[in-house]
Amino acid sequence: NAGVTQTPKFRVLKTGQSMTLLCAQDMNHEYMYWYRQDPGMGLRLIHYSVGEGTTAKGEVPDGYNVSRLKKQNFLLGLESAAPSQTSVYFCASTPGGPNTGELFFGEGSRLTVL
Amino acid sequence: GEDVEQSLFLSVREGDSSVINCTYTDSSSTYLYWYKQEPGAGLQLLTYIFSNMDMKQDQRLTVLLNKKDKHLSLRIADTQTGDSAIYFCAESRGTGGFKTIFGAGTRLFVKA
Repeated sequence: NAGVTQTPKFRVLKTGQSMTLLCAQDMNHEYMYWYRQDPGMGLRLIHYSVGEGTTAKGEVPDGYNVSRLKKQNFLLGLESAAPSQTSVYFCASTPGGPNTGELFFGEGSRLTVL
Repeated sequence: GEDVEQSLFLSVREGDSSVINCTYTDSSSTYLYWYKQEPGAGLQLLTYIFSNMDMKQDQRLTVLLNKKDKHLSLRIADTQTGDSAIYFCAESRGTGGFKTIFGAGTRLFVKA
């Protein structure tokens, strides 16, 4: 079972470059999320989606855009990368409907912006 | 605010018990969670407790919830070197993950 898969796992960018992180889940989950993890700050929600074709802002959305054209995929874009966006990015998903709220995470994508 | 706070580091000897503590602020939380993150990996749910419970035990893990003090703890009995990881406390006010707030994580070091 693949679960939640993120690509790429590592990337180095120069300031001002753009890139897209891809998240794919094979569990037919309705909800998908992008988090960033920074030392001493835990996980902060960037954007999320409650279904195909819908997206919403989380706690730290500035500088990022997302799209959910297909139910199984959630893309995170950086249009003009900044050093402050150096972080580890995690995608997660949850089923819709009543559940325990357990988040299923990918393995992370480590991004360095020089 | 919606803060979840936990200490950043804990060091124990192999075979001892580990207790990781967490405080949260939202009294309307429905579920409280402990996630484990091993090096280079994503977070995985370790255990959770529903807000109307005081305690939950699962093999070596014991979760205690004090709603009055908004305090959650995770006890790991007979701690092993394989338990070395970062443990995240989290609270949720509903079943949508966008309502989940994470603490900064406690890094557990287990000395052989």
